[in-house]
Amino acid sequence: DIVMTQSPDSLAVSLGERATINCKSSQSVLYRSNNKNYLAWYQQKPGQPPKLLIYWASTRESGVPDRFSGSGSGTDFTLTISSLQAEDVAVYYCQQYYSIPFTFGPGTKVDIK
Amino acid sequence: EVQLLESGGGLVQPGGSLRLSCAASGFTFNNYAMTWVRQAPGKGLEWVSAISGSGDATIYADSVKGRLTISRDDSENTLFLQMNSLRPEDTGIYYCAKSRGVSWYYAVDCWGQGTLVTVSS
Repeated sequence: DIVMTQSPDSLAVSLGERATINCKSSQSVLYRSNNKNYLAWYQQKPGQPPKLLIYWASTRESGVPDRFSGSGSGTDFTLTISSLQAEDVAVYYCQQYYSIPFTFGPGTKVDIK
Repeated sequence: EVQLLESGGGLVQPGGSLRLSCAASGFTFNNYAMTWVRQAPGKGLEWVSAISGSGDATIYADSVKGRLTISRDDSENTLFLQMNSLRPEDTGIYYCAKSRGVSWYYAVDCWGQGTLVTVSS
């Protein structure tokens, strides 16, 4: 199984400041035949289901604010919130959909400082 | 608007069974793979199972293989999860989710609100 790790476990950022979350996979999730990284980011607010933010590591889902961006390739990925808003308080998960089982990272909790 | 509505959760004793349902609307159901993801109380997300858009292929996490069975009824736009031989560690919220494509090698772009399964004596 591909093991997904995230860092940090939690972070507190001032409103308007940048938040950066890292995700690492135990093996590459880059499929070379189509040059796509099979990596997604989800946001989960308390009491709500997860919401897709980013897929193919860097493609923003329709309707997601452009302050959210994804980057990285192979085994190392980053989710960046360029200017943190109050409504961004949530737990963020990365997930690989390259290899069965499709494992999630443990989550990173983002709060306001 | 895409909507997924789960039902069928509840309290069950260890060794018991439950059948979860997920009613889908707002999209052409048989064009998309579907997935179940669960979340134990206060914990992270765990991928459980997926079924192809055609319904002829299924995959499972090792932790549920042989006990949980995913299926779909495209005439009713409904996804199912038959849960047998339940264990306390199966306790959690079960989410139904839609893939972005006909196979499961896509991110999931729509989630239901979830249904709570509690396995306890």
